[in-house]
Amino acid sequence: AQSVSQHNHHVILSEAASLELGCNYSYGGTVNLFWYVQYPGQHLQLLLKYFSGDPLVKGIKGFEAEFIKSKFSFNLRKPSVQWSDTAEYFCAVNGGFKTIFGAGTRLFVKA
Amino acid sequence: GAGVSQSPRYKVAKRGQDVALRCDPISGHVSLFWYQQALGQGPEFLTYFQNEAQLDKSGLPSDRFFAERPEGSVSTLKIQRTQQEDSAVYLCASSLVRLSGANVLTFGAGSRLTVL
Repeated sequence: AQSVSQHNHHVILSEAASLELGCNYSYGGTVNLFWYVQYPGQHLQLLLKYFSGDPLVKGIKGFEAEFIKSKFSFNLRKPSVQWSDTAEYFCAVNGGFKTIFGAGTRLFVKA
Repeated sequence: GAGVSQSPRYKVAKRGQDVALRCDPISGHVSLFWYQQALGQGPEFLTYFQNEAQLDKSGLPSDRFFAERPEGSVSTLKIQRTQQEDSAVYLCASSLVRLSGANVLTFGAGSRLTVL
């Protein structure tokens, strides 16, 4: 069965700090990988996705993620966070039609 | 519509009551998903429709949960004889794509159910 593990439930950073959120998944076949974000008071929305090709994918607002197949990982990064990045981030995997989500990481960025 | 619309946004039910949660997906979106999100957790898959066909209901926690999408557009999630453990946010998502892993989900705002 597919599963997704996010390493940190809560992260607190100061503005301009670098961000890396860990995500590992368990699935035996070809997967599609996603990061979704939920800003305070808003809907869950897509941040970035990996289907195939270059394992380093770029998303909105300067976020990027790297797919490392050998490590079953899809970590999210941003070189310099802003206060407006305060949100909850969900890693997700899809091996068929069903998207499975991790438990989420709450990021708080101090101004 | 422009986005996925869910109603009601908030529902308080007494234990044992039946509730119905509605989802109006983006027009033309073939796939529709229901998720349950408990406090502090990620969304948990409940069920999936492709048009009017319910192709997977493996995530429904019990036979008290029932979902339908009779005309392939609006969907309703019904919970009978609600229990306190049913308290959660129920998220609906739709996607343009059919059976495929390349499903980018567009989510609604969710329906927050509180069972007293």
